[in-house]
Amino acid sequence: DAGVTQSPTHLIKTRGQQVTLRCSPISGHKSVSWYQQVLGQGPQFIFQYYEKEERGRGNFPDRFSARQFPNYSSELNVNALLLGDSALYLCASSLTKGGNTEAFFGQGTRLTVV
Amino acid sequence: GESVGLHLPTLSVQEGDNSIINCAYSNSASDYFIWYKQESGKGPQFIIDIRSNMDKRQGQRVTVLLNKTVKHLSLQIAATQPGDSAVYFCAENGESGYSTLTFGKGTMLLVSP
Repeated sequence: DAGVTQSPTHLIKTRGQQVTLRCSPISGHKSVSWYQQVLGQGPQFIFQYYEKEERGRGNFPDRFSARQFPNYSSELNVNALLLGDSALYLCASSLTKGGNTEAFFGQGTRLTVV
Repeated sequence: GESVGLHLPTLSVQEGDNSIINCAYSNSASDYFIWYKQESGKGPQFIIDIRSNMDKRQGQRVTVLLNKTVKHLSLQIAATQPGDSAVYFCAENGESGYSTLTFGKGTMLLVSP
């Protein structure tokens, strides 16, 4: 069975540009969450989507947005990129929206902003 | 949550030893906790979870202990192997009831042959 898949695996962008990251959850999982992991730190929650609706948002600026599609895949968009946006962006899927269910992570997209 | 610097706490053990990794969590309302293992360049990998109505749970070579009184989690790895070398994170679920995880400080485990 395929796990959580993310694309692209690596990406280099210039300050001010926009980026779109993609995530496909495990088959049957309806919840997708996005996390940012800066080098040397734990992942920080950005968004959760369940059944195509935003269910939670972390402390990130409005430059960050996301959406979930009918097939439960998701995109994370970041506008007006800053050097500080350089990080590993992780997608996690879970079966339900609840906080008591396992969340499985993809391999991440390494974003470098230059 | 806790702020984390660039230098992770590190635990160095010999192959075959038992390892104990500790974690302090911040939210007394959290009722679900997970330990993740993260190898370099990879996403976090689920190891074991525990709900707040339990104080101990065992898996294959791993045991998680939960002390709600002092908001403390520990992960015990029996007979540690070189393949266990990685950064380990504890995570707690958020108050929203949705699957929003708050990660603690990571601990780097180094296993020497």
